[in-house]
Amino acid sequence: GESVGLHLPTLSVQEGDNSIINCAYSNSASDYFIWYKQESGKGPQFIIDIRSNMDKRQGQRVTVLLNKTVKHLSLQIAATQPGDSAVYFCAENKGTSGYALNFGKGTSLLVTP
Amino acid sequence: EPEVTQTPSHQVTQMGQEVILRCVPISNHLYFYWYRQILGQKVEFLVSFYNNEISEKSEIFDDQFSVERPDGSNFTLKIRSTKLEDSAMYFCASSEALGDVEKLFFGSGTQLSVL
Repeated sequence: GESVGLHLPTLSVQEGDNSIINCAYSNSASDYFIWYKQESGKGPQFIIDIRSNMDKRQGQRVTVLLNKTVKHLSLQIAATQPGDSAVYFCAENKGTSGYALNFGKGTSLLVTP
Repeated sequence: EPEVTQTPSHQVTQMGQEVILRCVPISNHLYFYWYRQILGQKVEFLVSFYNNEISEKSEIFDDQFSVERPDGSNFTLKIRSTKLEDSAMYFCASSEALGDVEKLFFGSGTQLSVL
């Protein structure tokens, strides 16, 4: 069935290194993707989004890359900090009249000093 | 920073009982949502609500579920007869409009435990 999934359940990086979190999607018709961060005890928090007519978008310390050919999405975090430790979800919007987001399973990012 | 507030933070109930989860969306928002996250699994869309009616709902949102905006500030999710598999974290979310997902805000969730 249609799904959005993540390659790795956990990722451990050293403080200051760059992090790359990957996501695969199966619905080639998907046209809008979002990355969320979820800290313990909190709801998902928006990081960055990208539409299918783009292949790259940059924010503050974050970059999202979209490869529609292989249906792959990645989130790059530059100079990872301890505060970046969280679970990261990719999501696609399947809604036609609102944000019916289809989330992936999540990757837990652990930043070690 | 405006925020979506949810109460209670934890709710324990017996199987078969009715529960109402409460949310106060951000005051000028017009679109409201419920999502849930079963422990260790992904966040799942339940329902979206706009202009006092359901806009979209998922397969999960069956006849046991209902939503209501009883007044100008609250948005509730009711589960009529809870089942064990309803145990999950329930997130409310709201947005002012549809054009910018960056302005879709999630609450901190209500952890529902059905015994």
